[in-house]
Amino acid sequence: DAGVTQSPTHLIKTRGQHVTLRCSPISGHKSVSWYQQVLGQGPQFIFQYYEKEERGRGNFPDRFSARQFPNYSSELNVNALLLGDSALYLCASSFSGGGSETQYFGPGTRLLVL
Amino acid sequence: QKEVEQNSGPLSVPEGAIASLNCTYSDRGSQSFFWYRQYSGKSPELIMFIYSNGDKEDGRFTAQLNKASQYVSLLIRDSQPSDSATYLCAVSNSGYALNFGKGTSLLVTP
Repeated sequence: DAGVTQSPTHLIKTRGQHVTLRCSPISGHKSVSWYQQVLGQGPQFIFQYYEKEERGRGNFPDRFSARQFPNYSSELNVNALLLGDSALYLCASSFSGGGSETQYFGPGTRLLVL
Repeated sequence: QKEVEQNSGPLSVPEGAIASLNCTYSDRGSQSFFWYRQYSGKSPELIMFIYSNGDKEDGRFTAQLNKASQYVSLLIRDSQPSDSATYLCAVSNSGYALNFGKGTSLLVTP
């Protein structure tokens, strides 16, 4: 079975631009979480979606938004990019996203903002 | 801010030795604990999870949890050079978000 897939793998943008990152969860999983990992740090929680509804949001500005589609895939959108948004963006898949569930990570999208 | 603390390392152990990785957390409501391995330039890969006090073994890996001390550890027996990676401790309360430490860099030398 395919694991979590993310696209694109790498992306270069300039300050002020907008970016859309995409994620497809493991087949049968209904929850998608997004994390940002800056170099040298652990992943930081951005959003979780379950059954197309936002379940939770981390401490990120409103420039970050996301949505989940009927097929459970998800998009993360970041507006007005800043240099500090350069990071590895990770999508994690789980069956229902509950706290005791294991989250499986995709390969990530590496974003560089110039 | 609920903290998850790990020694950043690097922790260097010779091949065949036991590597001991430690993690403390501040939220007493934490219920689920995960260890992920992350190779340089790659995404985190689940190694183990533990929910109850005590030890949980899976092959060469043993996770240990002590909720009273708010402490979780990962032991890697018979360490191999291929175990060289960053090990991330992640903690979850009854919610949905994983709260990660910064990770411990492990280097297994031949």
